Amino acid sequence: SQTIHQWPATLVQPVGSPLSLECTVEGTSNPNLYWYRQAAGRGLQLLFYSVGIGQISSEVPQNLSASRPQDRQFILSSKKLLLSDSGFYLCAWSPQGGASGNTIYFGEGSWLTVV
Amino acid sequence: SQKIEQNSEALNIQEGKTATLTCNYTNYSPAYLQWYRQDPGRGPVFLLLIRENEKEKRKERLKVTFDTTLKQSLFHITASQPADSATYLCVSGRGSTLGRLYFGRGTQLTVWP
Repeated sequence: SQTIHQWPATLVQPVGSPLSLECTVEGTSNPNLYWYRQAAGRGLQLLFYSVGIGQISSEVPQNLSASRPQDRQFILSSKKLLLSDSGFYLCAWSPQGGASGNTIYFGEGSWLTVV
Repeated sequence: SQKIEQNSEALNIQEGKTATLTCNYTNYSPAYLQWYRQDPGRGPVFLLLIRENEKEKRKERLKVTFDTTLKQSLFHITASQPADSATYLCVSGRGSTLGRLYFGRGTQLTVWP
């Protein structure tokens, strides 16, 4: 079966510090990969998605970036964090060929607090 | 772009009753709608998907309907239990357009004994 791992689960970082959140998927190949952010009391916001190695699409301009160095690895980064970057970050994957319904499977999430 | 509205931010019902959650979409008719459950501090978990050519879909105590005339999906939990307490998210999607899933803000359901 497929599993998705995301870490760290909790992170407290000072303003201006770098960020690296990692996500790996097991049990499938060539998945679509996603990074979402969920601010308190708000809906899920798509940040980045990737259909293959090195292929990243950004949905929202911001000081975050994403990379996909391997087929099942997705990394969310920032060079300098802002207070507004605080939130709940979710990595997710879906099978290729979404015509049958793009069901998304989420990781457990990473709580980021920028202080 | 598509907009998904879940009219109730919170719904409180008594155990054993049927919970009905509403999801409305604007603009185009999605190829399918999905419902997810999210517990506090956890990632959403997929529950059901219903396509636009389907009127109703069932899974155990869950039932989802899709009304393209009303631009609405209803999500029902019958014989609700306190363990059903969670936030439920409605999501719309269009075919194979990658990344283009639109999430509602969710309805927080509380089932009290």
